[in-house]
Amino acid sequence: EIVLTQSPATLSLSPGERATLSCRASQSVSSYLAWYQQKPGQAPRLLIYDASNRATGVPARFSGSGSGTDFTLTISRLEPEDFAVYYCQQRSNWPPRVTFGQGTRLDIK
Amino acid sequence: QVQLQESGPGLVKPSETLSLTCSVSGGSMSSDNWSWIRQAPGKGLQLIGYVYYSVSTNYNPSLKSRVTISVDTAKKQFSLKLSSMTAADTAVYYCARVMGATGVYFDYWGQGILVTVSS
Repeated sequence: EIVLTQSPATLSLSPGERATLSCRASQSVSSYLAWYQQKPGQAPRLLIYDASNRATGVPARFSGSGSGTDFTLTISRLEPEDFAVYYCQQRSNWPPRVTFGQGTRLDIK
Repeated sequence: QVQLQESGPGLVKPSETLSLTCSVSGGSMSSDNWSWIRQAPGKGLQLIGYVYYSVSTNYNPSLKSRVTISVDTAKKQFSLKLSSMTAADTAVYYCARVMGATGVYFDYWGQGILVTVSS
């Protein structure tokens, strides 16, 4: 099973700053990687799919990059509503499996 | 706009079978694919499984022996059955649509339902 490791576990930043979140896969997932945002008491929200495509309605300050085993979610200028937990997720072709990373908590500094 | 809503019991006894239903509006039951995902309190996300082409399924290997996901296109619902429940199955259970893209991603989610396993 492919394991996704997210770093850091917690990131403390101020509004207006740039956030860089990392997701590393234990083996190549090509570009089959997504990022989700989850706020307390809410369901996750899809932000990025196929490593770099923004989902419908996602602000342009969110961007994704990477391929193979190393991926990055960047939030260019943090807004107050961006403080949340972020998960990466992959799907492998064979065997067909879906796994999530353990999450990165983005806190207000 | 696709909307999903989970329904079912909030409390299940150990060894019993959990039955949850997800009601869908705005999507196509026959052409879209559907999933169940859970999140234990304070923990991360775990895919339970998904159904595609309305009849084929892909289950998490760790749960496969206990899981059944099925679709009722006429009622615009899909369901989850998870047998032999234990305290470790206490979680918020989400239903979600599998996005029609190259990967398996989840673009619309229900609000989630907390299921507690306790006698």
